[in-house]
Amino acid sequence: EAGVAQSPRYKIIEKRQSVAFWCNPISGHATLYWYQQILGQGPKLLIQFQNNGVVDDSQLPKDRFSAERLKGVDSTLKIQPAKLEDSAVYLCASSRWAEEQYFGPGTRLTVT
Amino acid sequence: GENVEQHPSTLSVQEGDSAVIKCTYSDSASNYFPWYKQELGKRPQLIIDIRSNVGEKKDQRIAVTLNKTAKHFSLHITETQPEDSAVYFCAATSGFQKLVFGTGTRLLVSP
Repeated sequence: EAGVAQSPRYKIIEKRQSVAFWCNPISGHATLYWYQQILGQGPKLLIQFQNNGVVDDSQLPKDRFSAERLKGVDSTLKIQPAKLEDSAVYLCASSRWAEEQYFGPGTRLTVT
Repeated sequence: GENVEQHPSTLSVQEGDSAVIKCTYSDSASNYFPWYKQELGKRPQLIIDIRSNVGEKKDQRIAVTLNKTAKHFSLHITETQPEDSAVYFCAATSGFQKLVFGTGTRLLVSP
């Protein structure tokens, strides 16, 4: 089966600009996650969707980050405006059941 | 909420030696404990997992043990090979299908 797809793979922007990331989960996976992974750290959950509903967004900086999952399949994560500390790899993951999560290749964001 | 601590942060071994990475968790309701391997510049990949109703699970050279009473679980890699070099993350469930990750262990296997 095809894995989790993400785009773009790399993005460089200046602070205060906006950026959007796209994720297509594994077919049939109802749960979708967005993580932020800062260099040298473990992934930190930003938002979790179950179908097209938000299950957990407690660690999403809502003043600048937003995410949606229309039709319960693809998802987009947006940052507006970006800050230097947003430089990280943004990972998307999906799961069908029982917590087994499969990760996409990630988008490496550099904010200058 | 759940807190996961992972040790050591770095681990260097000779090829053929065993490697052990340990994690502790705080939420007694956690019931699923996966381990991920992340090579440089690549995605985390699930290598083994264990559920709270099992004390030990093995898959070839990799094994995971769980002590629910002490709230800790460990990854054991035997007969290490250079291709085992990577960062390993443990995780534990918190709430509905949500994982909290440890800080990672960088494993270096020298030929």
